[in-house]
Amino acid sequence: EAGVAQSPRYKIIEKRQSVAFWCNPISGHATLYWYQQILGQGPKLLIQFQNNGVVDDSQLPKDRFSAERLKGVDSTLKIQPAKLEDSAVYLCASRTARDRGNYGYTFGSGTRLTVV
Amino acid sequence: SQKIEQNSEALNIQEGKTATLTCNYTNYSPAYLQWYRQDPGRGPVFLLLIRENEKEKRKERLKVTFDTTLKQSLFHITASQPADSATYLCALSGRRALTFGSGTRLQVQP
Repeated sequence: EAGVAQSPRYKIIEKRQSVAFWCNPISGHATLYWYQQILGQGPKLLIQFQNNGVVDDSQLPKDRFSAERLKGVDSTLKIQPAKLEDSAVYLCASRTARDRGNYGYTFGSGTRLTVV
Repeated sequence: SQKIEQNSEALNIQEGKTATLTCNYTNYSPAYLQWYRQDPGRGPVFLLLIRENEKEKRKERLKVTFDTTLKQSLFHITASQPADSATYLCALSGRRALTFGSGTRLQVQP
């Protein structure tokens, strides 16, 4: 089966600009996650979707970050305006409801964002 | 506050030896614990999941133990190979999404 697709792979922007990341999860995976991974740290959850509904966005900086999954398939994460501390890898992951407690997440390769 | 600790120092071992990585946690009651491998420039790859009522789980050269009294998991790679060199992440889950540790980098010398 195809993996989790993310684009772009790399992005360099100036601070105060906006940026968007796209994720297409594995077909049939109802649960989708966006994680932020700063260099040298583990991934940190930003938002979790179940189909097109938000399950957990408690750690999403809502003043500048937004995410949507309108049709319950692919998802977009946006940052506006970006700050220097947003430089990180943004990872998308997905799983099926059946996998909970039995199998882990499938991650994409991520988008590396550099804010200058 | 909840905390997951993995040794931030890299672990260097010789090929053929057993690598043992540690994951300690506080203020958690996880339903299960997972281990992932991450290579540079790639997303984490799932390796093993162990439930709170399981003491040990094996998969090929990998073994995970889970001690909910000590609040600790040990991850073992037997007969290690240079291809096992990577960062290994521990992750805990209860009702919410996975929370990850910062990972331990393993370097296997030929």
